[in-house]
Amino acid sequence: QITLKESGPTLVKPTQTLTLTCTFSGFSLNTYGVGVGWIRQPPGKALEWLALIYWDDDARYNSSLRSRLTITKVTSKNQVVLTMTNMDVVDTGTYFCAHKSPGSGRTLEYWGLGTVVSVSS
Amino acid sequence: EIVLTQSPGILSLSPGETATLHCRASQIRTSYVAWYQQKPGQAPRLLIYGAFSRTTGIPDRFSGSASGTDFTLTISRVEPEDFAVYYCQYYASSQYTFGQGTKLEIK
Repeated sequence: QITLKESGPTLVKPTQTLTLTCTFSGFSLNTYGVGVGWIRQPPGKALEWLALIYWDDDARYNSSLRSRLTITKVTSKNQVVLTMTNMDVVDTGTYFCAHKSPGSGRTLEYWGLGTVVSVSS
Repeated sequence: EIVLTQSPGILSLSPGETATLHCRASQIRTSYVAWYQQKPGQAPRLLIYGAFSRTTGIPDRFSGSASGTDFTLTISRVEPEDFAVYYCQYYASSQYTFGQGTKLEIK
């Protein structure tokens, strides 16, 4: 059974750096083709994909946020970490991590419950 | 950059009716379009991937279709538990783009 859980601060100040951790079970990020991604959702708004890291450390980013994002994996701990610099009030929302199944035709299938992040001074 | 436009923004139906949700892509190279259902306070749930394929456990009243850059999610005989927000997603070249969502509400 694949599960993912997001963790991190619930409140950050503007200009600070946000660090979120996705801890997963039921799969290995050493498996060919597997990936873990991050997606966010401002209150009452649509989903926005942020970044994804593959089993081979290949990292992909939303081009509009690329300069602020870094995604890494700690395979031994079954964790994926996302950092987002220079946080702003518009970055407030729920942050999800999700598992991507192997195969080019597959997408983000298993999701965590999300963690709420508020940006305020 | 691919833009997905979903229509309508809000769809009001009664249980038992058929829901037709649309997603138009500004450009497309593959049929790598997925549909998600999201209920308040929950994570999105993958319904359809590859434009047509249902995820394991998804009822067959949910179906996906495509014609060029237009993708459709059809929900036949809408059940009370189907009222939610639906998002389409295009995924290719390791980029994932979501539409703005369609809210399916009870009439």
